[in-house]
Amino acid sequence: SAVISQKPSRDICQRGTSLTIQCQVDSQVTMMFWYRQQPGQSLTLIATANQGSEATYESGFVIDKFPISRPNLTFSTLTVSNMSPEDSSIYLCSVELTGAGEAFFGQGTRLTVV
Amino acid sequence: QQQVKQSPQSLIVQKGGIPIINCAYENTAFDYFPWYQQFPGKGPALLIAIRPDVSEKKEGRFTISFNKSAKQFSLHIMDSQPGDSATYFCAASMSQGGSEKLVFGKGTKLTVNP
Repeated sequence: SAVISQKPSRDICQRGTSLTIQCQVDSQVTMMFWYRQQPGQSLTLIATANQGSEATYESGFVIDKFPISRPNLTFSTLTVSNMSPEDSSIYLCSVELTGAGEAFFGQGTRLTVV
Repeated sequence: QQQVKQSPQSLIVQKGGIPIINCAYENTAFDYFPWYQQFPGKGPALLIAIRPDVSEKKEGRFTISFNKSAKQFSLHIMDSQPGDSATYFCAASMSQGGSEKLVFGKGTKLTVNP
């Protein structure tokens, strides 16, 4: 398994500002994923982040709004830019253990935009 | 089709009962079917998973039944306990460019009464 630490665990932000969420993994992983989970809802994949390459975004998500960094095999950040109340959600980092096909999740970052 | 349809949306059982959660998929290219358990304020945790080459998998009190021809799979929880009260998500993925992107069902909120 993998231990995934996300920071911050929660935040309340003003609209128009940006928040960067950090994800640290206790082992080297090839694939890291960022999800959004709106309250009481399912998980929606935002993007896939490989080390050393541009993140791949899913339909409906764009790099200008959700820039992602992946500087090494154990760390990634997701920035939620120019926030609006509609961005209020839980953001989750996930990693896949290569070869096992198993995905593990961080505890999430609960974001409230006011 | 990328969807995974999950039912019921919510489920209430008595302690010792056997809740059953069902999922159906359309895309026959899916080759990995995990179930996740999520407690409030926590990230999803991998519970059990199955691949299409088997029809059933058991881990402790949790069993996945898989019907490839019907494109359906289900989670059974034997001797359910109040501590099993959580939201359960089924998911499906396929190997795509080296990554296994998960598509989630909408979730089932399970309540196990004492």
